[in-house]
Amino acid sequence: EDKVVQSPLSLVVHEGDTVTLNCSYEVTNFRSLLWYKQEKKAPTFLFMLTSSGIEKKSGRLSSILDKKELFSILNITATQTGDSAVYLCATPGGGTSYGKLTFGQGTILTVHP
Amino acid sequence: DVKVTQSSRYLVKRTGEKVFLECVQDMDHENMFWYRQDPGLGLRLIYFSYDVKMKEKGDIPEGYSVSREKKERFSLILESASTNQTSMYLCASKGAGGWGYTFGSGTRLTVV
Repeated sequence: EDKVVQSPLSLVVHEGDTVTLNCSYEVTNFRSLLWYKQEKKAPTFLFMLTSSGIEKKSGRLSSILDKKELFSILNITATQTGDSAVYLCATPGGGTSYGKLTFGQGTILTVHP
Repeated sequence: DVKVTQSSRYLVKRTGEKVFLECVQDMDHENMFWYRQDPGLGLRLIYFSYDVKMKEKGDIPEGYSVSREKKERFSLILESASTNQTSMYLCASKGAGGWGYTFGSGTRLTVV
């Protein structure tokens, strides 16, 4: 059974701090790992990672994948209150077709002014 | 932009009622999904559909059924709602290639 585990489950920081969110996975047929940000409503796509060691970057957010150790991290530098959200990682591994994703539990990030 | 629209943002139903949650997408996507989201458990797949009238069970199908009569619409049905089905329900769609999901805004269902 595919498994995705995120840590920490919740995190409270102040504006300007840097945070690192973790995602480990066990899948039978790894294809990619995806990160999403969810505010009050629909999760929105952040990154898709397929290759080890190649950092994906978007503004203050970056993410990297380690296929040997089976984990990914999402970094957010100089956090702002607008970064407060649930961050989800997911993978379509396990030989599934049709795009069925297995999600982690999510990390609730709260950024205080 | 692809839009996935869920008909209700908030819904309150009584135990034993039959509940319909509707989801419509406007980009001709083949694949549609229903997830429920609970604190500490993340998103768990209830059912998905890869074509009209085709459906497959996800990880937690018990107590639910689905209907896909038209490509753009995927309905989740709670045959007899129970309090443990109180949750946030998210619909998503995806085209044939890649892993680009588009999510709806969610329906927060409370069963009393």
